[in-house]
Amino acid sequence: GAVVSQHPSRVICKSGTSVKIECRSLDFQATTMFWYRQFPKQSLMLMATSNEGSKATYEQGVEKDKFLINHASLTLSTLTVTSAHPEDSSFYICSARTTSGSYEQYFGPGTRLTVT
Amino acid sequence: EDQVTQSPEALRLQEGESSSLNCSYTVSGLRGLFWYRQDPGKGPEFLFTLYSAGEEKEKERLKATLTKKESFLHITAPKPEDSATYLCAVQATISNMLTFGGGTRLMVKP
Repeated sequence: GAVVSQHPSRVICKSGTSVKIECRSLDFQATTMFWYRQFPKQSLMLMATSNEGSKATYEQGVEKDKFLINHASLTLSTLTVTSAHPEDSSFYICSARTTSGSYEQYFGPGTRLTVT
Repeated sequence: EDQVTQSPEALRLQEGESSSLNCSYTVSGLRGLFWYRQDPGKGPEFLFTLYSAGEEKEKERLKATLTKKESFLHITAPKPEDSATYLCAVQATISNMLTFGGGTRLMVKP
């Protein structure tokens, strides 16, 4: 149980284009989903928290107009990187927390974004 | 501000050589302390949640313990497949988010 998927697993895009990453909870409902970014050999950096049906809460320093987050259902959240630049290249990971009252976050497998 | 410090940053063990990873934390009221395993190029895999001092949890060769200031992840007779980065995170009672430590990169040689 508690499986989270991400799609795509890898994406290469040209500078100036937008990329959408999907995060799905496959066998549970998630009222809250989280988006992280991870640089090589570093720990996870929280970008934003999204609650189903409401606007995402962004961490300090994360541009909300650049990283658009939508959490339209209890099983799906999307992160769109708009007008991507090479410095946006990174490993993006989502996580989801169940509605059952426990506090564990279950992570997706990650998406490797490369902007050329 | 919540803080999590993991040590050592890297640990090399021979197969069968037991050891412990440390996670020291400061948090304004602990809701939970979480251990994850992360393999290269993959997302973290949930291992344990600990909620209160004195609590212990086990899974195969891993055992996690918790005090008011730190948590240990004990690895008994590790195998090469236990090689990974182990992440510790805390969640405060007043927060939705996890604060992660820098991780311990474990390498187990056959």
